[in-house]
Amino acid sequence: EAQVTQNPRYLITVTGKKLTVTCSQNMNHEYMSWYRQDPGLGLRQIYYSMNVEVTDKGDVPEGYKVSRKEKRNFPLILESPSPNQTSLYFCASSPPGRVQETQYFGPGTRLLVL
Amino acid sequence: GQQLNQSPQSMFIQEGEDVSMNCTSSSIFNTWLWYKQDPGEGPVLLIALYKAGELTSNGRLTAQFGTTRKDSFLNISASIPSDVGIYFCAGLKNSNYQLIWGAGTKLIIKP
Repeated sequence: EAQVTQNPRYLITVTGKKLTVTCSQNMNHEYMSWYRQDPGLGLRQIYYSMNVEVTDKGDVPEGYKVSRKEKRNFPLILESPSPNQTSLYFCASSPPGRVQETQYFGPGTRLLVL
Repeated sequence: GQQLNQSPQSMFIQEGEDVSMNCTSSSIFNTWLWYKQDPGEGPVLLIALYKAGELTSNGRLTAQFGTTRKDSFLNISASIPSDVGIYFCAGLKNSNYQLIWGAGTKLIIKP
């Protein structure tokens, strides 16, 4: 089954404790991205990657890091999480062509930073 | 960053009613997208619009690309319980830019 998977689905952590949210897709997509969703703000893009070893900042990259060493994986790293990073996070991937219009979203990771 | 103005923020309707929501912007977009997010899941694309004035249907859903290219509308006819969720609009200026998202319209259906 073609899908985007994220782990963990739920995470409670404390301020300053480094964490990684994994994202994997099995569709051989080149484009992958990370979003955060907050009430009243919709989805805001954190980082995106056009291909392996190619990443770029989205609208809200502060406090986040990403890496793209393999085509299928695009982990999101919070080196020192803070309470304002409490949010719902989505990973997405797209096939070549209209990458923005054909995004497949993962199920989401709900993060609470205490 | 820039955001689309999506309204209403939430809708409380009776099953069987028609639903209308819209997105507006001060900027021109070349593509308008409508997504639905079910509880506990990621957004799923419902309808994509590529031309000003375009009217596209997907079952009971109909979306329109505004003629000014600064707005878009989504209508749901004869709502059913599985229509509940959050509906997002998103606009794209061109393929070199990122999607701009609305804040979402939460649809709640009273049985």
